[in-house]
Amino acid sequence: QKEVEQNSGPLSVPEGAIASLNCTYSDRGSQSFFWYRQYSGKSPELIMSIYSNGDKEDGRFTAQLNKASQYVSLLIRDSQPSDSATYLCAGPFSGGYNKLIFGAGTRLAVHP
Amino acid sequence: GAGVSQSPSNKVTEKGKDVELRCDPISGHTALYWYRQSLGQGLEFLIYFQGNSAPDKSGLPSDRFSAERTGGSVSTLTIQRTQQEDSAVYLCASSSLRGYGGGNTDTQYFGPGTRLTVL
Repeated sequence: QKEVEQNSGPLSVPEGAIASLNCTYSDRGSQSFFWYRQYSGKSPELIMSIYSNGDKEDGRFTAQLNKASQYVSLLIRDSQPSDSATYLCAGPFSGGYNKLIFGAGTRLAVHP
Repeated sequence: GAGVSQSPSNKVTEKGKDVELRCDPISGHTALYWYRQSLGQGLEFLIYFQGNSAPDKSGLPSDRFSAERTGGSVSTLTIQRTQQEDSAVYLCASSSLRGYGGGNTDTQYFGPGTRLTVL
């Protein structure tokens, strides 16, 4: 089992809708998770980090962490065409030091 | 402050040649990571530096790949006798390691990448 798994998509949503991106992880001890956005031909940029169970909101973005179920999600409200990108979920490496394991990414397409 | 910088931004080389890719991390960041991303693929971990030492080289695909970091700052990734399958974007990231030890993993900040094309 991969340590961090994401559905590759594409996830297609209409402009103004809520986009829901999901990620599952295998290491129950993991405490830190990150969502990165990567536009085509660009490097990943951090959107949000989350360390505690529950929701964390930042503008149109909400990250949700459920440690019992071992999933982390990213909600994008009022989706815009400019949100169209690949979203990478990352969690800590189970080997005990400061290394992130990235999921393969979910491609999001927001259509007008 | 300045982010992670990488050079060159693009590199085209002939099969069999050696190449050097450079990464300059965010000032004060003690951890540095190299990743490779082939077209349409996810991030492939290559190597991790903590200071000048590399506790994890597990991702280096072959002995043609090596990396060093001097002065706890700039890192160079060297690929010897390049092959066409080495063509990819090579990404560098750095983090501060402030949170590690308290159960949290530090955020990694990525550079713009070097696009390597081996003809």
